Amino acid sequence: GDSVTQMEGPVTLSEEAFLTINCTYTATGYPSLFWYVQYPGEGLQLLLKATKADDKGSNKGFEATYRKETTSFHLEKGSVQVSDSAVYFCALYTGGFKTIFGAGTRLFVKA
Amino acid sequence: GAGVSQTPSNKVTEKGKYVELRCDPISGHTALYWYRQSLGQGPEFLIYFQGTGAADDSGLPNDRFFAVRPEGSVSTLKIQRTERGDSAVYLCASSLNARGEGSPLHFGNGTRLTVT
Repeated sequence: GDSVTQMEGPVTLSEEAFLTINCTYTATGYPSLFWYVQYPGEGLQLLLKATKADDKGSNKGFEATYRKETTSFHLEKGSVQVSDSAVYFCALYTGGFKTIFGAGTRLFVKA
Repeated sequence: GAGVSQTPSNKVTEKGKYVELRCDPISGHTALYWYRQSLGQGPEFLIYFQGTGAADDSGLPNDRFFAVRPEGSVSTLKIQRTERGDSAVYLCASSLNARGEGSPLHFGNGTRLTVT
């Protein structure tokens, strides 16, 4: 069945470091791909999305490119801030009503 | 505008008891979802409503779990004869629709259920 695999956390970085969180997927058809973020004490919220191959989603300095050939959607940011500390979830939607989430990757950014 | 509202935010109950969890979606969102999130895991799909009807309940773990959305807005997730394994954060999400390329989900803050 459809599934999402994310790199395990926690990921600990110093402020201004480069961030990559890996995400790969298995899906039938052509899914839409998402990154959601959960800040401490808050609900999950959409960070960015891409709906077809080679699309790049971007928001708040974060980017992810939909790579069909490697079935990947890695999240990147060039310079992280303390305020980026959160749990990041990769997710996919294949049109069957449900969005399928990865297990989440916790990011800690130190000042 | 107001986001997705879930009540209560925390619920502690004894094994065997019945609980109801409420979700008030964003006004105008016809699609409503319930997910369950265990510690260290991503949200796991339970049930999806389009309007008043449950279009997909394939994620409900067993017949102790039931959800309703009688007027196409507020939804209630009901758990009978609770077990310790039901302890988790129950998340509600809504979206404008569920078709096409996938409308982003708008989540509430969840109800943390603890079964003792």
